[in-house]
Amino acid sequence: AQKITQTQPGMFVQEKEAVTLDCTYDTSDPSYGLFWYKQPSSGEMIFLIYQGSYDQQNATEGRYSLNFQKARKSANLVISASQLGDSAMYFCAMREGLRDSGGSNYKLTFGKGTLLTVNP
Amino acid sequence: DSGVTQTPKHLITATGQRVTLRCSPRSGDLSVYWYQQSLDQGLQFLIQYYNGEERAKGNILERFSAQQFPDLHSELNLSSLELGDSALYFCASSAGQPVSPLHFGNGTRLTVT
Repeated sequence: AQKITQTQPGMFVQEKEAVTLDCTYDTSDPSYGLFWYKQPSSGEMIFLIYQGSYDQQNATEGRYSLNFQKARKSANLVISASQLGDSAMYFCAMREGLRDSGGSNYKLTFGKGTLLTVNP
Repeated sequence: DSGVTQTPKHLITATGQRVTLRCSPRSGDLSVYWYQQSLDQGLQFLIQYYNGEERAKGNILERFSAQQFPDLHSELNLSSLELGDSALYFCASSAGQPVSPLHFGNGTRLTVT
């Protein structure tokens, strides 16, 4: 089974509108973290936002916010007031085993991504 | 700028050849991760090093190997290259805390002809 599922291969949004990119995850670990990354056409991977499984509040970073629904195992990224520069591939990723003693293996498992296009 | 440096940016080589990709992590980061990104497989974790020691292995082929040196830079060696090895190879580093994100380099685009 896939650990991270992004069901929207592509999304379109009008400039200045908000858009939600879906992400569901699968883990039996009680301690995990969820990350969102942006990959523009130039190819670099840009970290956007982080949500820990024990965080009481939804994470926010500027125009980015995370709609974290733990019981549903979803961590959707909300981008408010979309800009043309937001057009990119967006990846959801998960890190498990955050409380493993002595652990320094903090690899991320990525979803397949959602291609967001912002229209003027 | 993530602070992670990868060289070269592009590499074109023939099947059967061997190449070395190089990565310098952000200053102070002890962990280095290697990922392969291809259209069909997406972003796949290959291997992780922490302060010179291998810590985790993912879907890394036996033809591939890596190491992290005392100065913390890392190299990914790809040998007996096949057409299917053509991909974007990323190196990432992190501060080593559970909440620390991975900071990615700009990648090396490998084309095997």
